[in-house]
Amino acid sequence: AQSVTQLDSQVPVFEEAPVELRCNYSSSVSVYLFWYVQYPNQGLQLLLKYLSGSTLVKGINGFEAEFNKSQTSFHLRKPSVHISDTAEYFCAVSEGGADGLTFGKGTHLIIQP
Amino acid sequence: AAGVIQSPRHLIKEKRETATLKCYPIPRHDTVYWYQQGPGQDPQFLISFYEKMQSDKGSIPDRFSAQQFSDYHSELNMSSLELGDSALYFCASSSGTGPVRGAEAFFGQGTRLTVV
Repeated sequence: AQSVTQLDSQVPVFEEAPVELRCNYSSSVSVYLFWYVQYPNQGLQLLLKYLSGSTLVKGINGFEAEFNKSQTSFHLRKPSVHISDTAEYFCAVSEGGADGLTFGKGTHLIIQP
Repeated sequence: AAGVIQSPRHLIKEKRETATLKCYPIPRHDTVYWYQQGPGQDPQFLISFYEKMQSDKGSIPDRFSAQQFSDYHSELNMSSLELGDSALYFCASSSGTGPVRGAEAFFGQGTRLTVV
């Protein structure tokens, strides 16, 4: 069974600074990887996904992530954050054949002015 | 654009009562997923339906049941409610099923269930 580890429960960063949110996964089969964002009292919004092909994936709102198979990681990055990026970020994995996603515990991104 | 509609948005029930949550998928979406997100927790996959048939099953308690109707809306029925059932329940919908399409599912804003 797959699992997802988000190493940081909270990441404070100053506005316009770069940020990296870490995600590691474990799975015995090929996986699909995703990042979702959840704003307060809102549903989950897909930021980006890795299915196959290029290991560098670009998503919405200026975010990107890199799939590293040898390190079983899928870290999320943004070169310059904005106050509006304050939210909870979830990394998720799906193993082939399953509908449901397995989520990490989430990382709360706190943008400081 | 139309989104996934969940009703009610908030629900308060007492222990041992029953609750029914409704989900109306995006038009022409044929797959519905249910997730449970406890306070400060990550979402947990409960169950999914494709073309009115159960497609996949996650950590859904036996006290819960769900179905998808002919108009593709779905209902999550929860009986003998416990305090631990207090959570945000998300519904998501997609066109088609499978891990790839499943991840392209669009989430509703959720129903916040509080059991007292």
